[in-house]
Amino acid sequence: DTAVSQTPKYLVTQMGNDKSIKCEQNLGHDTMYWYKQDSKKFLKIMFSYNNKELIINETVPNRFSPKSPDKAHLNLHINSLELGDSAVYFCASSRPLQGSREQYFGPGTRLTVT
Amino acid sequence: DQQVKQNSPSLSVQEGRISILNCDYTNSMFDYFLWYKKYPAEGPTFLISISSIKDKNEDGRFTVFLNKSAKHLSLHIVPSQPGDSAVYFCAAITQGGKLIFGQGTELSVKP
Repeated sequence: DTAVSQTPKYLVTQMGNDKSIKCEQNLGHDTMYWYKQDSKKFLKIMFSYNNKELIINETVPNRFSPKSPDKAHLNLHINSLELGDSAVYFCASSRPLQGSREQYFGPGTRLTVT
Repeated sequence: DQQVKQNSPSLSVQEGRISILNCDYTNSMFDYFLWYKKYPAEGPTFLISISSIKDKNEDGRFTVFLNKSAKHLSLHIVPSQPGDSAVYFCAAITQGGKLIFGQGTELSVKP
């Protein structure tokens, strides 16, 4: 009955590789997000999609490409991984158009680039 | 350029007493604020929110106070319980729907 789920939970890979993180929500929300929590524990938004359309893109390197096949899924693909990409990535969802501004988060994916 | 600040990285409180977590913001255009609780290896969990048209919102043991003139909000937990030990994040929502988080305050409630 997980509301927002992410796979994998842990990801260890080498520099230069390409990897994807998947996110799914079963809350019926129409807006989904990707956040990055860096080594200093700051949580910062990367992208937001509303009903499969990109609405927020926070000056993230273009090696990061979100893909939303439908409004319940928002995947994050990262090309040519770098050491600085090591972080915890959180997916979230909300339904702001229905007046609810709270965002609900997945459990996170810890990415380690070696 | 941090628009939401939590200046106390940690707070230790005795079980049964009140926990007060503080948060300051700089952008007067923020109109909605939230508190999230986070356990290790889990995602942030929504706790309580407040609109800028209110100065107080209460939900059980949790109360959030907003002082717009001071650009300050606080989360009160009464009575504190050991299970409340976690990192608490204050956040504000921009007009465009972005959540801007503070750095977090680690609360430890001792039995």
